[in-house]
Amino acid sequence: QSALTQPASVSGSPGRSITISCTGTSSDVGGYDYLSWYQQHPGRAPKLIIYDVSKRPSGVSNRFSGSKSGNTASLTISGLQAEDEADYYCSSYVSSLTDVVFGGGTKLTVL
Amino acid sequence: QITLKESGPTLVKPTQTISLICTFSGFSLKTEGRSVGWIRQPPGKALEWLALIFWDDDKRYSPSLRSRVTITKDTSGDQVVLTMTNMDPVDTATYYCAHSRGGTYAPFDFWGQGILVTVSS
Repeated sequence: QSALTQPASVSGSPGRSITISCTGTSSDVGGYDYLSWYQQHPGRAPKLIIYDVSKRPSGVSNRFSGSKSGNTASLTISGLQAEDEADYYCSSYVSSLTDVVFGGGTKLTVL
Repeated sequence: QITLKESGPTLVKPTQTISLICTFSGFSLKTEGRSVGWIRQPPGKALEWLALIFWDDDKRYSPSLRSRVTITKDTSGDQVVLTMTNMDPVDTATYYCAHSRGGTYAPFDFWGQGILVTVSS
């Protein structure tokens, strides 16, 4: 099972919004609403910020939102803050023996 | 609250077998619906899912590592062990264990701090 496709990097200015895409196939992203997003700061463990495409765990800022269209999911961060600078990974359930697949990760730079 | 912590050897030689332990608190793997997974991350690279074990001892493995990886849980319900055989330098990575509730579709909502395992002669 190939990893989900994410852009290697995105950037944005403080206060603006950015969107990170995560593209898969009908066997993973397009086939199920079990799509999660994780934020990872350097040297730290990943943190769950979005699950089931668009749900936020308790304590996660509402500046983070998720959506999906066809085989592509998106993470939008609004009102960018310096602390949002991190790597972001998408993850999806897969309808095969693979079960779970991650994206290649996207490095967000806040200018 | 839920916490997890990985432990085990941090330096292994090629061809050796490694066992990593995930010790957790705040939940029990004897409780229906709970699971613990292992995910690794080579330096500077992406996350890779390795294995998952459920409260009922159901187990799932990454197809690419299925022949080399075994996941087990102890009878106390507060430890999970990942065993990986025939270690190679490409297996050098930070290994994380993480908690999930639900099926394989469920997200990993709590993560350990990770343990860096280096494979080198």
